[in-house]
Amino acid sequence: NAGVTQTPKFRVLKTGQSMTLLCAQDMNHEYMYWYRQDPGMGLRLIHYSVGEGTTAKGEVPDGYNVSRLKKQNFLLGLESAAPSQTSVYFCASVLNPGAGYTFGSGTRLTVV
Amino acid sequence: GENVEQHPSTLSVQEGDSAVIKCTYSDSASNYFPWYKQELGKRPQLIIDIRSNVGEKKDQRIAVTLNKTAKHFSLHITETQPEDSAVYFCAATILYNNDMRFGAGTRLTVKP
Repeated sequence: NAGVTQTPKFRVLKTGQSMTLLCAQDMNHEYMYWYRQDPGMGLRLIHYSVGEGTTAKGEVPDGYNVSRLKKQNFLLGLESAAPSQTSVYFCASVLNPGAGYTFGSGTRLTVV
Repeated sequence: GENVEQHPSTLSVQEGDSAVIKCTYSDSASNYFPWYKQELGKRPQLIIDIRSNVGEKKDQRIAVTLNKTAKHFSLHITETQPEDSAVYFCAATILYNNDMRFGAGTRLTVKP
């Protein structure tokens, strides 16, 4: 039982490049979330999913896209990376809201 | 949307002393308030949560209090230990709304 696994752990991108961050959970959780963490700003919600095949925008969705083709996977895509997207990205999942989120170990992304 | 403010941003205490972190929220409809602890370089982990139908909840050395009228909630850590050193985040949401908002975090340092 691995919980929530994020890949990759670190990545450096050049401005304009694209990439996909993968979040995988083996807990059969319905709800999955992508957050970004920036110094002094806490965790901000990018996109979330309430079940397979569904996605919705969070607080800071611009510049990102997501997909949830399988219940266990939630992908975060950056089509054209910008330096403002330099951040630590955390994926989280929960069986039902009202329980604590299980977070992944994070992806540190630097856009130069 | 919900706005969560957290104070102080940094807190330093002597081992054995108590620590209190306070958060305020803006949306009176919010009814679920979790607290997460994030050690350096690690993922956030839930330490305690409270729902709006409860005024206080305790778990060993930690407790959370909620004042719905004033729209604020606080984390209390008693008999602090060096291993309590971490960044603590509060959060607020309306259950099943899936738009959990986090405070900016408090860096707690417990000096031995």
